[in-house]
Amino acid sequence: AQKVTQAQTEISVVEKEDVTLDCVYETRDTTYYLFWYKQPPSGELVFLIRRNSFDEQNEISGRYSWNFQKSTSSFNFTITASQVVDSAVYFCALSGYYGGATNKLIFGTGTLLAVQP
Amino acid sequence: NAGVTQTPKFQVLKTGQSMTLQCAQDMNHNSMYWYRQDPGMGLRLIYYSASEGTTDKGEVPNGYNVSRLNKREFSLRLESAAPSQTSVYFCASRMASTGPYSNQPQHFGDGTRLSIL
Repeated sequence: AQKVTQAQTEISVVEKEDVTLDCVYETRDTTYYLFWYKQPPSGELVFLIRRNSFDEQNEISGRYSWNFQKSTSSFNFTITASQVVDSAVYFCALSGYYGGATNKLIFGTGTLLAVQP
Repeated sequence: NAGVTQTPKFQVLKTGQSMTLQCAQDMNHNSMYWYRQDPGMGLRLIYYSASEGTTDKGEVPNGYNVSRLNKREFSLRLESAAPSQTSVYFCASRMASTGPYSNQPQHFGDGTRLSIL
C-alpha cells in the first residue's frame, strides 16, 4: 500500500529562519512520483514541485530546495530565509505510474508552517 | 487563465438534502478528480475520471456519485447529505502522461466549502 507521512503537524519559526518540512513515503512501485503542494490561508492548492523516482538530484528554486533520498524514502522540503508569505499548509503527495491514465495522488496530512514576523 | 473552476464556493445544506458540486477545466486535461479535505486527514480521493466516459471510485466514495459530462466537466453529487460530509471539496484535473518520465501534476480548483447541518 502507498502511504505518505508528514510527522510534523505544525512548525512555527521566526522570519529569516531556515525550516525543513519532512516527508516520508511508502510504496512498492519501482516507478513513482513525489509532489509538494502549498495551501495558503486563502485555501487554494498550489503545485510546487514534482520528482520522479529515477531522479535523485536535489532541486533548488529560489529559497526553496528539495532533498530526495530513496535510501530513506524521504522527500524533504527546505525553505531558506523564511518569510511571512511562506505561512501555509504544505502537503507532500505520492503517485504511481499506471500507464498514464489513472494517476492517483496519496496525500500526507500536511504540515502547517507559521512564519512569525 | 481560469484553470479549474468550482461552483459554488460555499454551501450550507440540511441533512437529507441533495446537491451537485460543479467542476470545469479549460486546460484540455484528460483526467479529473474529486477530493475531500478534512482537518488532520489531508486530502482523500472520492472519485476520479481517467478520461471522458469513465469514472472510478477512490478511497472514500460512499455517499457520492459523479458524472463526467464531457471532457471539460466533472460533477459530484450528494444524494442525501449527512453531517459527516461536511468538508472542503476540491476538484483537480491532469493532463495524461505519455510515459514513465512525464507524470503530470494535478491542478486544483479553489475548493467548495460545504456545511451540512
